[in-house]
This record gives sequence, C-alpha cells and structure tokens, in this order.
Amino acid sequence: EPEVTQTPSHQVTQMGQEVILRCVPISNHLYFYWYRQILGQKVEFLVSFYNNEISEKSEIFDDQFSVERPDGSNFTLKIRSTKLEDSAMYFCASTPTRITVNTEAFFGQGTRLTVV
Amino acid sequence: QKEVEQNSGPLSVPEGAIASLNCTYSDRGSQSFFWYRQYSGKSPELIMFIYSNGDKEDGRFTAQLNKASQYVSLLIRDSQPSDSATYLCAVPGAGTALIFGKGTTLSVSS
Repeated sequence: EPEVTQTPSHQVTQMGQEVILRCVPISNHLYFYWYRQILGQKVEFLVSFYNNEISEKSEIFDDQFSVERPDGSNFTLKIRSTKLEDSAMYFCASTPTRITVNTEAFFGQGTRLTVV
Repeated sequence: QKEVEQNSGPLSVPEGAIASLNCTYSDRGSQSFFWYRQYSGKSPELIMFIYSNGDKEDGRFTAQLNKASQYVSLLIRDSQPSDSATYLCAVPGAGTALIFGKGTTLSVSS
C-alpha cells in the first residue's frame, strides 16, 4: 500500500539552528501538507503546497518556515532558526486532489523535533 | 475561522461496550466530517468520513451527522482494547486545510 514517508523520525537540534524535515508523498498525489502537533495539543495545519507553490498557509507558518519540492519526489519543511516552542511532532500529508467531502489525507509517521 | 470541539476525555469503557464520541463544529456551512484515530506517538489514520445527515456504518464504526445541531458523532460497537486511542474529528477549512479538534482519548479495558 502506498504511504507517505518522513525522515528523520526524531531530530534534536540546538535553539537557533536550521532544520530540514523531509517527506516523500504518495507518488500520484498532487497536494502536500505539513501539520504539527505540540505534545498534548491538537494537530495544527501549517501549509499546503500544490503545483510547486504554496496554496495556503496558517498564521503559524511565518517567515521562519519555508517549504520546497526540490525534485520530483521530496517535499521539505525548513525552519530557519529554531525556537524552543518549535518542539513538536511534524506530520507530512498528501492527497490526490484538493480536500473535498470524501478525500482521505494520508499522513506520514511524523518527525519528532526537539529543540534544546 | 472554523472550529471543532471535542471532549478530551478520557472516555473509559469496558471491552464489548459501545463507545460514543462526540464532536461539534462552528461553521454551519461545513459539508463533510472526518474521523481519524491516533495512537499515542503515531500519525492520524482515517477511520471514516460522512457528509450526509444521518448514519453511516463501516464495520464496528458508525458515524452520525446532524447538521441542524452541528454535531457529528462516532460510535464504536463491541469495543476492543486495540481501540484505545485518541479519536480526532476534522472538517475541511475554507481552503485546503483540515481543521482538527483536540481529540477524545478512549480507553477500553479488558
């Protein structure tokens, strides 16, 4: 069964450092997403990406964040200068189409980011 | 801004019982609703979606939608210990996002 894969599964970084989280969406999907979940809190939307550009972003997705699809398979989330409050589980997801009434979003297994 | 509210629980039920999970939403215009299950430390996985008023059944799971009252529920029949997880209710946002509730933690005791 096709799946979304994320690397690394766990990343520890020093405050102020740049991190890049990587994702390989399902190959025939067209929409890609990043969500984050701070421990004990809800899953929060960060950004969606379609046709090689950002489709939508939330208030969380400020100038410290960027996304890129550097080649035909990878989808990355970069945090330029990490803060303690960036510590969270980051989920990549993909969908074949824009989310409609019956579109399933497939989530990767997540990257746990710990900023120390 | 669309919002989704869920009782965080925990909801504790004995094995074999029916677990009832509820979700309310703020936007009367919301058309569809998704139930995801999330095991501790894992990613959300879709259980089912519903977009018509009434009930939708899939195996031991039944989703119920009442658009007039703006709530959606998930019933789990014959609950098993393996059903112990957090259940997330989600609605599509105005754009491309899914808006999640905080989730209800279910604990099924054997």
